Amino acid sequence: AQSVAQPEDQVNVAEGNPLTVKCTYSVSGNPYLFWYVQYPNRGLQFLLKYITGDNLVKGSYGFEAEFNKSQTSFHLKKPSALVSDSALYFCAVRDTNNAGNMLTFGGGTRLMVKP
Amino acid sequence: DTGVSQDPRHKITKRGQNVTFRCDPISEHNRLYWYRQTLGQGPEFLTYFQNEAQLEKSRLLSDRFSAERPKGSFSTLEIQRTEQGDSAMYLCASSSATSGSGQTQYFGPGTRLLVL
Repeated sequence: AQSVAQPEDQVNVAEGNPLTVKCTYSVSGNPYLFWYVQYPNRGLQFLLKYITGDNLVKGSYGFEAEFNKSQTSFHLKKPSALVSDSALYFCAVRDTNNAGNMLTFGGGTRLMVKP
Repeated sequence: DTGVSQDPRHKITKRGQNVTFRCDPISEHNRLYWYRQTLGQGPEFLTYFQNEAQLEKSRLLSDRFSAERPKGSFSTLEIQRTEQGDSAMYLCASSSATSGSGQTQYFGPGTRLLVL
């Protein structure tokens, strides 16, 4: 079985400060890991993914994430937050042992960036 | 390059009525997925097609739900005898089987269903 946990319902950051949104996962095989962002009344927008290789993955809009196998984590980071980054962020995992292609999502973390 | 589109964007119906949603994937994508998202939760997988074949179904997909992808292009999701608990955002996503490991899923804007 595959699962994802996002331990924080909300993260508050001042504009210009670095931000971190946490994600931990559980899989039986190796993970494919994804971050998506959702703006109000919109679908999910892909930010970045980890499949293999370099543990630091860079994605859209200046976001990056670091894969840590020993801690089973894939935290999303950005060096300098913008007010426009305020949105709902979802971490998702797919287990390579899973013959299907379903993604399992975390419950989401609301990011609030204040001016 | 047009993204995934879904129609309608919003649907209000009365309990007991049937509803049907449509999803048009990115044109070269052969994999199509349906998810359901309730307020304050992450999306939950419902079902998945590769071309016209429905390869995987979640336990969430009760017998009142049926999905089709008759020509391997667009897909429909029908809910029969709707219940208030069906109120949710229904999300469609597509991916390419040939894009390598991971096969990023790209999501449409969703159909928000309200059952009164």
